Amino acid sequence: EVQLVESGGDLVQPGGSLRLSCAASGFTFSSYAMTWVRQAPEKGLEWVSAITGTGNNTYYADSVKGRFTISRDNSKNTLFLQMSSLRVEDTAVYYCAGGILDVWGKGTTVTVSS
Amino acid sequence: SYELTQPPSVSVSPGQTARITCSGDALPKKYAYWYQQKSGQAPVLVIYDDSKRPSGIPERFSGSSSGTMATLTINGAQVGDEADYYCYSTDSSGNHRGVFGAGTRVTVL
Repeated sequence: EVQLVESGGDLVQPGGSLRLSCAASGFTFSSYAMTWVRQAPEKGLEWVSAITGTGNNTYYADSVKGRFTISRDNSKNTLFLQMSSLRVEDTAVYYCAGGILDVWGKGTTVTVSS
Repeated sequence: SYELTQPPSVSVSPGQTARITCSGDALPKKYAYWYQQKSGQAPVLVIYDDSKRPSGIPERFSGSSSGTMATLTINGAQVGDEADYYCYSTDSSGNHRGVFGAGTRVTVL
């Protein structure tokens, strides 16, 4: 069964850092680009960042560029999102999604608040 | 920055046809994708590459694209199709950034 499971969400103060993980199973992880998508409370979906299957190319939304870093460990079938200089407006459920966003995890919640 | 524009809401009676539009300047060159998100759940892909349906998605869901507008059609909408629907694509500038429309709330009653 194809599965993505996010973890690492937490309550963090503004200016803090957090690392999200996404464990993949049931498919050849290294063959697929992976994406992080977030959804603020009662808001729509927002594309955050993407990485190619090899990890050689990464892409970021303007809202997170310079603060977030996407990476992957293909030997461990895991995707990461390192988040720093967190802001209140980064509060959201963070989803990882694979390929053409045809596989999604259930999400992990990040709350940035003092 | 690139934007995709959707209507905020669409309302239909059970058995009727619901149409959701998505407009974007790059859609003549880039595929549109459609996602269904029910309350409290993760999104589900219902249409990819403008008009293709993933396995397991009912035939009543179809997609089309012409010029700068993509359309998701639900033929014979059911109460269970009530959800938020998002279109997704990338811009044509070569920066490989994705973008979602703001979403359309479909009500079937």
